[in-house]
Amino acid sequence: QQPVQSPQAVILREGEDAVINCSSSKALYSVHWYRQKHGEAPVFLMILLKGGEQKGHDKISASFNEKKQQSSLYLTASQLSYSGTYFCGTGENSGGSNYKLTFGKGTLLTVNP
Amino acid sequence: DTGVSQDPRHKITKRGQNVTFRCDPISEHNRLYWYRQTLGQGPEFLTYFQNEAQLEKSRLLSDRFSAERPKGSFSTLEIQRTEQGDSAMYLCASSSGQGMSNEQFFGPGTRLTVL
Repeated sequence: QQPVQSPQAVILREGEDAVINCSSSKALYSVHWYRQKHGEAPVFLMILLKGGEQKGHDKISASFNEKKQQSSLYLTASQLSYSGTYFCGTGENSGGSNYKLTFGKGTLLTVNP
Repeated sequence: DTGVSQDPRHKITKRGQNVTFRCDPISEHNRLYWYRQTLGQGPEFLTYFQNEAQLEKSRLLSDRFSAERPKGSFSTLEIQRTEQGDSAMYLCASSSGQGMSNEQFFGPGTRLTVL
């Protein structure tokens, strides 16, 4: 079943912060975050694993609450280059079956000057 | 460039024709995936290879679709008797299969338009 992302869209001014949420009805092993710009392929941002630590690089970080089956992506001091559609992809099983990702519908982030 | 590559980038075809797409994964990656993405949606899983073995096919993949990865390197996705509903972006991704993290890296996609 497809994870639910919220909000569907968000508009920011450069320098503002945003949080994008991803929620699943199934027990998760991993959550993968991607950013996709119009007409381009999804670009891998980070992966969070069950039992793993919160991840982050530069001004983008993410958390994974295994019990609540939720993940959140945090963008701080947003830059114009952050604009795009953010997808979470969820992996439900560990080991050999942890290959198929189920993606949400995406969150459209627009950063204006 | 050592990323995932796909060919062609765009394909326009008439309904009923057959089309074939190619994907070249990152060279050391033994896992290869095909996804389909339509406007306003996230990628939808189609099929998965580990080396040359096709280990799963989605129910989305009708009998008109077939995928191969004959030598465990590049892969092809063929659609026979195309229908207008097949119009979409077809994305290929690969991962190393090392450890448990399974980061998947996507290619630029092939945009199919069926007239």
